[in-house]
Amino acid sequence: EADIYQTPRYLVIGTGKKITLECSQTMGHDKMYWYQQDPGMELHLIHYSYGVNSTEKGDLSSESTVSRIRTEHFPLTLESARPSHTSQYLCASSESVYNEQFFGPGTRLTVL
Amino acid sequence: AQSVTQLGSHVSVSEGALVLLRCNYSSSVPPYLFWYVQYPNQGLQLLLKYTSAATLVKGINGFEAEFKKSETSFHLTKPSAHMRDAAEYFCAVSGNGQNFVFGPGTRLSVLP
Repeated sequence: EADIYQTPRYLVIGTGKKITLECSQTMGHDKMYWYQQDPGMELHLIHYSYGVNSTEKGDLSSESTVSRIRTEHFPLTLESARPSHTSQYLCASSESVYNEQFFGPGTRLTVL
Repeated sequence: AQSVTQLGSHVSVSEGALVLLRCNYSSSVPPYLFWYVQYPNQGLQLLLKYTSAATLVKGINGFEAEFKKSETSFHLTKPSAHMRDAAEYFCAVSGNGQNFVFGPGTRLSVLP
């Protein structure tokens, strides 16, 4: 059983609000990732980190930002949410870029 | 650059019938290959992985996949479909120090 957690699982908020999606893992993995996925669609990598104080943008441009102050924690922040941010956000971690990624349950975000 | 294609965005089978989900990859180095399953409103769960050992890989829930280098394929099969197999399936490739590349996914429907 993979130990990677995301909170909240569901979030409905109004336009313009600042939000932070939490992601934590207890496996000691250096590599962590954020994906954006619309229902029934493919995954898009929006951010990744190879270790503490290391963050990079992914293949899909995103207005969100991330931080990696602790190995186990990789939060994603939206400074001003918009309806176009409505989506599912999946967090994952891995031991290396070659090894399997372990996924959290996801956060389904709805911006009204 | 690596890439993954999954032939058929939606596959329907009858309960008890053979499941075949197709995955072809492109990689300049020997790849690591993975199949994931995603149930509604959940994260991705690893089904199986190929990491240059046996070419026939057995996974969870009765699934297996065969790595065929000559065909650059890694198709997922299950001899007999169950209703609980209805989900989204993603093929992924890693290697050459790059992040995972996920395929677009195939939705499997199982008809009673």
